[in-house]
Amino acid sequence: EAQVTQNPRYLITVTGKKLTVTCSQNMNHEYMSWYRQDPGLGLRQIYYSMNVEVTDKGDVPEGYKVSRKEKRNFPLILESPSPNQTSLYFCASSLGSTSGLTDTQYFGPGTRLTVL
Amino acid sequence: AQSVAQPEDQVNVAEGNPLTVKCTYSVSGNPYLFWYVQYPNRGLQFLLKYITGDNLVKGSYGFEAEFNKSQTSFHLKKPSALVSDSALYFCAVRDTGVGTPLVFGKGTRLSVIA
Repeated sequence: EAQVTQNPRYLITVTGKKLTVTCSQNMNHEYMSWYRQDPGLGLRQIYYSMNVEVTDKGDVPEGYKVSRKEKRNFPLILESPSPNQTSLYFCASSLGSTSGLTDTQYFGPGTRLTVL
Repeated sequence: AQSVAQPEDQVNVAEGNPLTVKCTYSVSGNPYLFWYVQYPNRGLQFLLKYITGDNLVKGSYGFEAEFNKSQTSFHLKKPSALVSDSALYFCAVRDTGVGTPLVFGKGTRLSVIA
């Protein structure tokens, strides 16, 4: 089944404790992206990747890191989480952004993160 | 920079009645427009998109949307609402240009009442 998977689905942590949220897709998509969803703000893009080893900042990158060593994986890293990073996070992928401005994005199920 | 507005936080409609969820956008070039739906505790699912051509776009689950360039709108519609349509709906826009992000609206919560 074609899908985007994220782990963990739920995470409660404390300020300053490094964490990684994994994202994996099995559709051979080139483009992957991370969003955070906050009430009244909709989805905001954190980082995106147009291909392996190519990543770029979205609208709200502060406090986050990403890497794209393999095509299928795009982990989101919080080196020193803070309470304002408490949010619902979504990973998404699409076929390819360089020629695929019209591509549909496929979303993972979400990761609900709470930073105390 | 592109932007999208969903002027209603909440839309309530009776089952069997037509529904409309509004979306307006702003881009410098030609817009690529999308509608996504989010059911409780789920990720976003694609409903439909407008790229070019016919202004009326048909999508999943009986939804359709009309692209209106003069009014810069892309309202989502369905002729007869179902209780199962109750969800959070997001409009999104992408401007022309390599690497331009997909920008989402804040979402509209649709409640269909039996």
